[in-house]
Amino acid sequence: GQNIDQPTEMTATEGAIVQINCTYQTSGFNGLFWYQQHAGEAPTFLSYNVLDGLEEKGRFSSFLSRSKGYSYLLLKELQMKDSASYLCAVMDSNYQLIWGAGTKLIIKP
Amino acid sequence: GAVVSQHPSRVICKSGTSVKIECRSLDFQATTMFWYRQFPKQSLMLMATSNEGSKATYEQGVEKDKFLINHASLTLSTLTVTSAHPEDSSFYICSAQSGTGDSNTEAFFGQGTRLTVV
Repeated sequence: GQNIDQPTEMTATEGAIVQINCTYQTSGFNGLFWYQQHAGEAPTFLSYNVLDGLEEKGRFSSFLSRSKGYSYLLLKELQMKDSASYLCAVMDSNYQLIWGAGTKLIIKP
Repeated sequence: GAVVSQHPSRVICKSGTSVKIECRSLDFQATTMFWYRQFPKQSLMLMATSNEGSKATYEQGVEKDKFLINHASLTLSTLTVTSAHPEDSSFYICSAQSGTGDSNTEAFFGQGTRLTVV
């Protein structure tokens, strides 16, 4: 079956760095997405990786290793507004998104 | 980036009535639209996939007669929750993709609709 695993909850301190991991097993691979979702709102797009390596976009970076079925989202210089759920999603061979359950990130002052 | 508009953002309806949710792609043609449902503290659950001009493909366990999906044009898909019950209360989200078979296809999300059935 298809499976996306990510931690349920993480806590970090304002100004620090946090890494949210995602491992996947899917039928085919056409890219991995990271989304941010604040409570009660729709997800917003953060990053897309289809080749191995690190993609940097401001305070957020995303890494992919296709051979290991592994990705992480790195958030630097954490701000209180970064408190949200972070969703990992993989596009399978049918170009449909398979979603992880999301990681709730709690930022403490 | 592309914009997907979903309306209404919040709706409260009486048990037994029907509610229609609209999802519009404002600046691109969406050949495929997806409807998701999200329960509190849970992941998005795909309900159905709709392609313009054809019948929607429903995921296992989703009642097609209860959740009517229409994708009549390349910019509009609607989800109608028929004979709503309190257990249908949830957050419904649509997303749209501009094409298929494109490895760099990003899904653009609507704002979501919070449905409360009383």
